[in-house]
Amino acid sequence: RKEVEQDPGPFNVPEGATVAFNCTYSNSASQSFFWYRQDCRKEPKLLMSVYSSGNEDGRFTAQLNRASQYISLLIRDSKLSDSATYLCVVNIRTALIFGKGTTLSVSS
Amino acid sequence: DVKVTQSSRYLVKRTGEKVFLECVQDMDHENMFWYRQDPGLGLRLIYFSYDVKMKEKGDIPEGYSVSREKKERFSLILESASTNQTSMYLCASSLGNPGDEQYFGPGTRLTVT
Repeated sequence: RKEVEQDPGPFNVPEGATVAFNCTYSNSASQSFFWYRQDCRKEPKLLMSVYSSGNEDGRFTAQLNRASQYISLLIRDSKLSDSATYLCVVNIRTALIFGKGTTLSVSS
Repeated sequence: DVKVTQSSRYLVKRTGEKVFLECVQDMDHENMFWYRQDPGLGLRLIYFSYDVKMKEKGDIPEGYSVSREKKERFSLILESASTNQTSMYLCASSLGNPGDEQYFGPGTRLTVT
């Protein structure tokens, strides 16, 4: 099993749609979880941390399921500007491991 | 706001040249990292440092070395550049714990011809 695994997509959705991404991780001892966003030819930027109880930031909701070792990101009311690649990030031992990303394309 | 800067956005070098990529962070972060990112392969860790003058190999250190003489600066060195080192190089820093979120510089797109 890969350390951090994501569906690469692409997810093609219309404006206003709700879209969800999942990510699975292999190490049950992982303690830190994040979602990053990366625009084309730019650096990854932190979108949000993921907490055990789940957390929300505007249109974005992150959930953590430790028992099944997966993390999810829900985007409501998608905007054109949400088009990007979303990276799932998990700490494994002393490092952060980045997933390869899920590409989202929002169209009008 | 954390700011991580990299010395060049674009760089073209010839095979066999020695290449220096510089990274500076201004938030007194303990940890600094060098990654390369290639299509289909994602981010791969080359080297990291948890303290001044300290370095640890990441997943793909071959052909690279690093230097951290000052806390704010972390340099990546390609001793003898090869065409398979053509890539996007990203520097990152984080506060203190290995699990802390990382902040990235804008990247250096290196082409080796």
